[in-house]
Amino acid sequence: DTEVTQTPKHLVMGMTNKKSLKCEQHMGHRAMYWYKQKAKKPPELMFVYSYEKLSINESVPSRFSPECPNSSLLNLHLHALQPEDSALYLCASSQGRPPYEQYFGPGTRLTVT
Amino acid sequence: DAKTTQPNSMESNEEEPVHLPCNHSTISGTDYIHWYRQLPSQGPEYVIHGLTSNVNNRMASLAIAEDRKSSTLILHRATLRDAAVYYCILSEDTDKLIFGTGTRLQVFP
Repeated sequence: DTEVTQTPKHLVMGMTNKKSLKCEQHMGHRAMYWYKQKAKKPPELMFVYSYEKLSINESVPSRFSPECPNSSLLNLHLHALQPEDSALYLCASSQGRPPYEQYFGPGTRLTVT
Repeated sequence: DAKTTQPNSMESNEEEPVHLPCNHSTISGTDYIHWYRQLPSQGPEYVIHGLTSNVNNRMASLAIAEDRKSSTLILHRATLRDAAVYYCILSEDTDKLIFGTGTRLQVFP
């Protein structure tokens, strides 16, 4: 099974809402990632978890809160987002050793109204 | 992070070979060269990677210049399904993949 799954596929939320994005992999990978992709732009790294610990935070605003409850699951908690946060949010995983080949999920398309 | 330079777009006809170039003149000795592609409405997909030697897999070939300052992704017979944005990425000995703007490949029947 080489699949990374993400739920939901689409999410519309208001600026005062709290919601969560979920990502799951069952490949035994030890590293998991969140990326943000705006329309017609390349993906931008947000967070990296290694062995369930946050190892990289690319100066992401605190209204995005990642969580890694176990080695297979990665969440992104959203609170008080702005319309400019509307984007495709991609999750990825890797074995976590060079060359760090990453497997991506299909993404969650988020719209903030 | 080392940077890469790719053409914004390229075109090919179906069943013809495609050579996608990437320049990375500031590459360091520990940088791997990765290629990912992103089909419309999908997440990026790993294509191939290399360090110093040329590499082949079922999807593509990667030709790396002897000085490692450039590389070329080769699709041997383009299909319509190969239409995508192709990203050339350098990664050091870390978890970080920094995507550049990539090359949009159009394939015509």
